[in-house]
Amino acid sequence: DAGVTQSPTHLIKTRGQQVTLRCSPKSGHDTVSWYQQALGQGPQFIFQYYEEEERQRGNFPDRFSGHQFPNYSSELNVNALLLGDSALYLCASSLLSTSTDTQYFGPGTRLTVL
Amino acid sequence: RKEVEQDPGPFNVPEGATVAFNCTYSNSASQSFFWYRQDCRKEPKLLMSVYSSGNEDGRFTAQLNRASQYISLLIRDSKLSDSATYLCVVSLFPSNTGKLIFGQGTTLQVKP
Repeated sequence: DAGVTQSPTHLIKTRGQQVTLRCSPKSGHDTVSWYQQALGQGPQFIFQYYEEEERQRGNFPDRFSGHQFPNYSSELNVNALLLGDSALYLCASSLLSTSTDTQYFGPGTRLTVL
Repeated sequence: RKEVEQDPGPFNVPEGATVAFNCTYSNSASQSFFWYRQDCRKEPKLLMSVYSSGNEDGRFTAQLNRASQYISLLIRDSKLSDSATYLCVVSLFPSNTGKLIFGQGTTLQVKP
């Protein structure tokens, strides 16, 4: 049973560029959440996708956008990269229809903006 | 004010010691509470949920005080393998499948 997978594992970009990060949820899960974790901080919620719609959004600018595909996988897009976007980006998946399930995190994508 | 506040530490303790972590949360509407563990450069993993009645899982005991908006984690008989960052987490939803609000994390280093 595959867990949550993310790609790529590491990425280096320069300021102003755009980046796309990918996430495949755990088998059987239908909901994907994205978090940003800066060095020395706890993860911060970016947004959550369910049924290909953004269901909840955290306090992040419009430069951060996402998408969920019919197979439940998801992408996180960040435009006009800033140095402050350097962080570990975590994807988490869950099954929304049951409140007893838990949310599982993927290994993350480490983004460095130069 | 941060929504979830933790002392970042680090806490350096010898093997076998008992160590306690605390955190406070600001939103009284919070419905569910958790402790996550995060090893260096890895993803967070659920350690345990926290209930008002208090709950225990082996050497780990978690407590919730809703009136004071305070959550604690006690680790007894610390092992070298307990060295990690412990994240206090709250949610406005009844489970951890919605938006999770993380504290900064408390770093524990258990020494031989």
